Amino acid sequence: DARVTQTPRHKVTEMGQEVTMRCQPILGHNTVFWYRQTMMQGLELLAYFRNRAPLDDSGMPKDRFSAEMPDATLATLKIQPSEPRDSAVYFCASGLVLGTGGTEAFFGQGTRLTVV
Amino acid sequence: SQKIEQNSEALNIQEGKTATLTCNYTNYSPAYLQWYRQDPGRGPVFLLLIRENEKEKRKERLKVTFDTTLKQSLFHITASQPADSATYLCAPPDTGRRALTFGSGTRLQVQP
Repeated sequence: DARVTQTPRHKVTEMGQEVTMRCQPILGHNTVFWYRQTMMQGLELLAYFRNRAPLDDSGMPKDRFSAEMPDATLATLKIQPSEPRDSAVYFCASGLVLGTGGTEAFFGQGTRLTVV
Repeated sequence: SQKIEQNSEALNIQEGKTATLTCNYTNYSPAYLQWYRQDPGRGPVFLLLIRENEKEKRKERLKVTFDTTLKQSLFHITASQPADSATYLCAPPDTGRRALTFGSGTRLQVQP
């Protein structure tokens, strides 16, 4: 069963520490998204990649967040330094986009981040 | 800027009835719109995609309509079951950013 795998599932860290979240997209998918979900803001798009190239990261606080795809099987989202307001569930999703059409996004289970 | 609105109040209905959820969008015209289901502690799961040239789309007990004049999509679940209880998210693409953006979701509770 193909699925998006995220690690870790849960992370508790102290303010100021670096946090790295990892995502393995579904093999063959050419698009990867990172979302953040909180009760107040809902699902917010942070960044997305097409064929490993960053297409948009305007949703990320640039001074502390960074997203990369070192290869087709791994996407990372890093926060340095972390702050309590970064506490949220971070979702990775992947999809296969052909042309300009839409595609369903397959979501991982999420990483629940708590910054204390 | 574009805006997606879903009823933030929970929808409570009796088993067997039809649930209707609303998604309104303003300030743009998406070429398609998707609906997702999210259960507590899990990621959203894709349900249906409807394109601007399609008035209606069905999948088993689910039906989605897309009215580009009203700028509204309706999501229907017929013969609802307690297992349909979840949060349902409307997701049109963000034209400027070319990625899926999500409404705040409507929580559906189906009572047995």
